[in-house]
Amino acid sequence: GESVGLHLPTLSVQEGDNSIINCAYSNSASDYFIWYKQESGKGPQFIIDIRSNMDKRQGQRVTVLLNKTVKHLSLQIAATQPGDSAVYFCAENLGAGGTSYGKLTFGQGTILTVHP
Amino acid sequence: EPEVTQTPSHQVTQMGQEVILRCVPISNHLYFYWYRQILGQKVEFLVSFYNNEISEKSEIFDDQFSVERPDGSNFTLKIRSTKLEDSAMYFCASSEAQRGNQPQHFGDGTRLSIL
Repeated sequence: GESVGLHLPTLSVQEGDNSIINCAYSNSASDYFIWYKQESGKGPQFIIDIRSNMDKRQGQRVTVLLNKTVKHLSLQIAATQPGDSAVYFCAENLGAGGTSYGKLTFGQGTILTVHP
Repeated sequence: EPEVTQTPSHQVTQMGQEVILRCVPISNHLYFYWYRQILGQKVEFLVSFYNNEISEKSEIFDDQFSVERPDGSNFTLKIRSTKLEDSAMYFCASSEAQRGNQPQHFGDGTRLSIL
């Protein structure tokens, strides 16, 4: 479900560990998904995206997994560094087949803290 | 790397006053968006804009809000008569394509404080 307010899920890891951040999306018709990183005082920064015809996509140190059956998205960060500390948001879009003109629906966010 | 720029970074306005938030999208992008984020909450969609028209707007985007692309580079959000609950971070975003083909890139936002 969704939560409103200041109580975001948190994940604390040690530098060098792998991190997994999870997201449950809401619309089964969504077919494009994006992970964003938001540092304090900054806007959401694009990390990686995936379309619904894929179940895995890899970038530099990051991997996104998509499970459409249970409407679940995850972001894996390998060898996490202190600079990875931020709030991570998943976002969904209806994509080319929908009636939504590019509107992104964001998840609630997860606070990742990486300890040196 | 090209980026979306927003000005001002912080705007303080008296309730009832008009405010204009400014954005310069990435130069080859054709689709533009405004989002807002109330402190501690999710990023919420306000409006999308293409070819000098609003493509889609949310329930938040009522008659007090308007958007404009006054020239070839700027994209503005106007709030006609601000309310206390309009206090939030406002983010502009742009993309090359609209429907699930290219990601939206965000600026660093304008913090709007209504007194």
